[in-house]
Amino acid sequence: QVQLQQSGPGLVKPSQTLSLTCAISGDSVSSNRAAWHWIRQTPSRGLEWLGRTYYRSKWYYDYAVSVKSRITINPDTSENQFSLQLNSVTPEDTAIYFCARVGVTGALDYWGQGTLVTVSS
Amino acid sequence: QSVLTQPPSASGTPGQRVSISCSGSSSNIGRDTVSWFQQLPGTAPKLVIYSDNQRPSGVPDRLSGSKSGTSASLAISGLQSEDEADYYCAAWDGSLKGWVFGGGTKLTVL
Repeated sequence: QVQLQQSGPGLVKPSQTLSLTCAISGDSVSSNRAAWHWIRQTPSRGLEWLGRTYYRSKWYYDYAVSVKSRITINPDTSENQFSLQLNSVTPEDTAIYFCARVGVTGALDYWGQGTLVTVSS
Repeated sequence: QSVLTQPPSASGTPGQRVSISCSGSSSNIGRDTVSWFQQLPGTAPKLVIYSDNQRPSGVPDRLSGSKSGTSASLAISGLQSEDEADYYCAAWDGSLKGWVFGGGTKLTVL
């Protein structure tokens, strides 16, 4: 059974960097049959895909156009986890952030518990 | 504004059948499969339909999915109080190169 456990601060100051980690159990971040995603949710914008990383003989990264200049998703094979960094945050980045997996079904089949991140001074 | 279009609300009485629609375009629903998620308050979305009409293990067969062209539907038959939740559709968008979602439909069991 795959489980994704998120960690990271719930409060970030404007202009600083939002950092979250998603620890994986029951699968491997290096699996060549999975991809690892970050998604956020707000009442006004709904569910918004942010980006993904996956390994197919080498690491690949895809990011949403809306955050492409500010986002980094990094796999950590030693800890079997992956992280999200979002730079230069503003109050508009206040959201519930989720990590998720796409497996052999081709769907977002396992999700982390979600982390409410508030951007405020 | 979400890329995929869903009605904001739907309702039914216990035992009834309800259907939730999801409209997209040729770059998402028209070219790739559709997933559906159920979200209860304060929890993460839960996958209930993938590949247009497949149910993950543990999802009751009262839930079914279908797709035609650039639209998809989630049907719930034999409605139960536990089905009251928000439902979202999603698909990979080949033009945007990312997942796109519907705005969500709040299902109320009267």
